[in-house]
Amino acid sequence: EVQLVQSGAEVKKPGESLRISCQASGYMFTAYWIGWVRQLPGKGLEWMGIVYSGDSDATYSPSFQGHVTFSVDKSINTAYLQWSSLKASDTAMYYCARLGGYCVNGVCYKIGFDYWGPGTLVTVSS
Amino acid sequence: DIVMTQTPLSLSVTPGQPASISCKSSESLLHTDGKTYFYWYLQKPGQSPQLLIYEVSKRLSGVPERFSGSGSGTDFTLKVSRVEAEDVGVYYCMQNTQLPWTFGQGTEVEIK
Repeated sequence: EVQLVQSGAEVKKPGESLRISCQASGYMFTAYWIGWVRQLPGKGLEWMGIVYSGDSDATYSPSFQGHVTFSVDKSINTAYLQWSSLKASDTAMYYCARLGGYCVNGVCYKIGFDYWGPGTLVTVSS
Repeated sequence: DIVMTQTPLSLSVTPGQPASISCKSSESLLHTDGKTYFYWYLQKPGQSPQLLIYEVSKRLSGVPERFSGSGSGTDFTLKVSRVEAEDVGVYYCMQNTQLPWTFGQGTEVEIK
């Protein structure tokens, strides 16, 4: 069974650093991309970017480029989202999700985020 | 960036009745590989989003047949043939044909 388990809620002060995690199980971790999605309180979904679990290759949304960093530890099937200096406006729920796909005759296509973690609530307040 | 515009933003439906949500993209979502990378997600209250439909009209395994997707280019529709109580939540369209990937603003569906 595919599962994505995210780290627990965090309360931080502006300017502090933070790393949250997303541990995968039930599939070949290194063969899939992991995406990160932000949901501000009471708002919709925002795509932050994706990271390939096989080699940590990452693509960021311009809205988040330079403010967050994705990383992967293949040895423990875990993806990370980190901030070096949090802002109050980073207060949100953060979801990780697996980018599913299928291959036909050696050509592979994505099917969207087929498995999601439960989310990590990050609160940044002085 | 491709802007995804959903209508309506909210919908109140009697159980057993159909429901329809529209999503329009600001640019064509047809990829150079011939696929259209358009999706529908449902976020039930208090839960993570879940994928319902991929490539415009393909239901993810386990998604009830009452959910169907259609459309092409820039205009897409999600239909629920007979809404059930468990279908409440916020429905989002999303594209990943072009970077950055973008979501619609969401359509909240409630049961009358």
